[in-house]
Amino acid sequence: AQSVTQLGSHVSVSEGALVLLRCNYSSSVPPYLFWYVQYPNQGLQLLLKYTTGATLVKGINGFEAEFKKSETSFHLTKPSAHMSDAAEYFCAVSEGGGYQKVTFGTGTKLQVIP
Amino acid sequence: SAVISQKPSRDICQRGTSLTIQCQVDSQVTMMFWYRQQPGQSLTLIATANQGSEATYESGFVIDKFPISRPNLTFSTLTVSNMSPEDSSIYLCSGKFNTDTQYFGPGTRLTVL
Repeated sequence: AQSVTQLGSHVSVSEGALVLLRCNYSSSVPPYLFWYVQYPNQGLQLLLKYTTGATLVKGINGFEAEFKKSETSFHLTKPSAHMSDAAEYFCAVSEGGGYQKVTFGTGTKLQVIP
Repeated sequence: SAVISQKPSRDICQRGTSLTIQCQVDSQVTMMFWYRQQPGQSLTLIATANQGSEATYESGFVIDKFPISRPNLTFSTLTVSNMSPEDSSIYLCSGKFNTDTQYFGPGTRLTVL
């Protein structure tokens, strides 16, 4: 069975500082990994995904994530936080593509301090 | 990316009533799903909506409480039946357009009094 652990339900960073949101996964087969963002009162928007190939994945809004198999991690980073990045971020995993279900982590709320 | 719309966007309902949420996708999807997001929590999969047949429900969710229809490849409905305050949640429709990525609708925010 697959699972996702997001360390830190709340993260605060200063505007302009590095954003690091942690995600560790468990999967019995090579995983597909995703980061979604949810702005207040909105649905989920896909930030980026890893399926196969290059382990460093770039997404929208300057975010990127690196798949590290040895560490079973897929941490999300952004070099410089912007006020508009304040939102909730969800890491998700599926055991491959096709008809496999996606399992979501519990989410991390990012606060950006001016 | 695809566009997924839901309506209503929010509703306030009385205990014991039912609400039907509609989900429309702008292109054909391979799979459609319904999720629940309770206040302050992550997403929980309710069911997979199957075209022309009964939905596949996850553990803890039953058809009598959450009947789902999917008459074609781009439309689905979720009904929350005989509502109680515990059903107050955001209900999210999701579509899978290829083999690896799911996209989400904006959600329906339901409050049950």
